[in-house]
Amino acid sequence: DTAVSQTPKYLVTQMGNDKSIKCEQNLGHDTMYWYKQDSKKFLKIMFSYNNKELIINETVPNRFSPKSPDKAHLNLHINSLELGDSAVYFCASSQGQYGTGELFFGEGSRLTVL
Amino acid sequence: AQSVTQLGSHVSVSEGALVLLRCNYSSSVPPYLFWYVQYPNQGLQLLLKYTTGATLVKGINGFEAEFKKSETSFHLTKPSAHMSDAAEYFCAVTPLFSGGYNKLIFGAGTRLAVHP
Repeated sequence: DTAVSQTPKYLVTQMGNDKSIKCEQNLGHDTMYWYKQDSKKFLKIMFSYNNKELIINETVPNRFSPKSPDKAHLNLHINSLELGDSAVYFCASSQGQYGTGELFFGEGSRLTVL
Repeated sequence: AQSVTQLGSHVSVSEGALVLLRCNYSSSVPPYLFWYVQYPNQGLQLLLKYTTGATLVKGINGFEAEFKKSETSFHLTKPSAHMSDAAEYFCAVTPLFSGGYNKLIFGAGTRLAVHP
């Protein structure tokens, strides 16, 4: 039983297209995150939701729009894809929004923009 | 802004040798400190963390790390490397003044290779 699952695992698309990545966690956590890992393996937080409320919104282009329909799901929609959006996007979850720092990560969704 | 520096993007050791992965943070107030591991094509997994208390913390798979405030360091060690330790290792901090959120700031990662 996968604790944090993301779909799709691989996504290849053309510049200008719109795409979505979905994430679900079955750990009963109330906080979920999107992280971006670039080609140099550098990880940066993008968004975080706690009980469907947006609590972290880093300086991410507004082409990226997260949505959390319930506390077990967090989706990421990207409009007008650009070459620089190519990366691995990781979903993560934690119990509580305050800094114990133990996050549970999904396996990642590798996005390639051509 | 807080930052995390991992010295050495690649470390190579022989099986059975000591593993030492270095991490330094920049902060006047010690943050919470973490080591995560990423195996190929997988997500990150928490190895160990320091919040308060004992400065030597033990994690999974025989790893441990020591928080040294005077050196602003949190180096990761393992006495004897195993082939299965080959992975990418990330040091991370949670800034204490980020509103308390789990806003992990990661280092650039260190790839550990273990050869026979």
